[in-house]
Amino acid sequence: QQQVKQSPQSLIVQKGGISIINCAYENTAFDYFPWYQQFPGKGPALLIAIRPDVSEKKEGRFTISFNKSAKQFSLHIMDSQPGDSATYFCAASRSLYGGATNKLIFGTGTLLAVQP
Amino acid sequence: DVKVTQSSRYLVKRTGEKVFLECVQDMDHENMFWYRQDPGLGLRLIYFSYDVKMKEKGDIPEGYSVSREKKERFSLILESASTNQTSMYLCASSLRGRLGEKLFFGSGTQLSVL
Repeated sequence: QQQVKQSPQSLIVQKGGISIINCAYENTAFDYFPWYQQFPGKGPALLIAIRPDVSEKKEGRFTISFNKSAKQFSLHIMDSQPGDSATYFCAASRSLYGGATNKLIFGTGTLLAVQP
Repeated sequence: DVKVTQSSRYLVKRTGEKVFLECVQDMDHENMFWYRQDPGLGLRLIYFSYDVKMKEKGDIPEGYSVSREKKERFSLILESASTNQTSMYLCASSLRGRLGEKLFFGSGTQLSVL
């Protein structure tokens, strides 16, 4: 119930193509779904996040699509660039009352390589 | 610019040694976290702390302990290092409450236990 399943494990995309990474979750109490981007030698950094009250969120070339009934969400990178080459992690958590600490459950990661 | 600093980028220790990994944040965040990152397993939460001297177990606390004596500093302790604790260790911090959902990570410590 606590797992977040991520696929594919690795992905090679040509420059200008669309990169798609998928995640699935089981716990229906999850209500926050971020994506983190990690470059080699760096820690992960928040890229984009969505809540289940919307089905899509777009920030520049990055879009999250959310399917509540299927308990799935995905990251789409349009016009992929070599600079997007990184490891991407999806995650999920549920809001807690009283300002208590949220624990993010991370997926296993996707290594994206965008070829020039 | 927000910053989470981990004391060592690379660390090599021997089996049975006591190992300290240090993390300092300069953002006055209440929450601090220790994750380990392993290929194919993603990021797994070891321990977290939501206040000074407070700590809670994450998903894989066995073999680890933590210390938070000051708000800005969170230490991970391997009481007796073992080879299966060879991994990348990532520290993170966040604000308390709804705004605390954004984690700020350090650059990590690659620990090798021989």
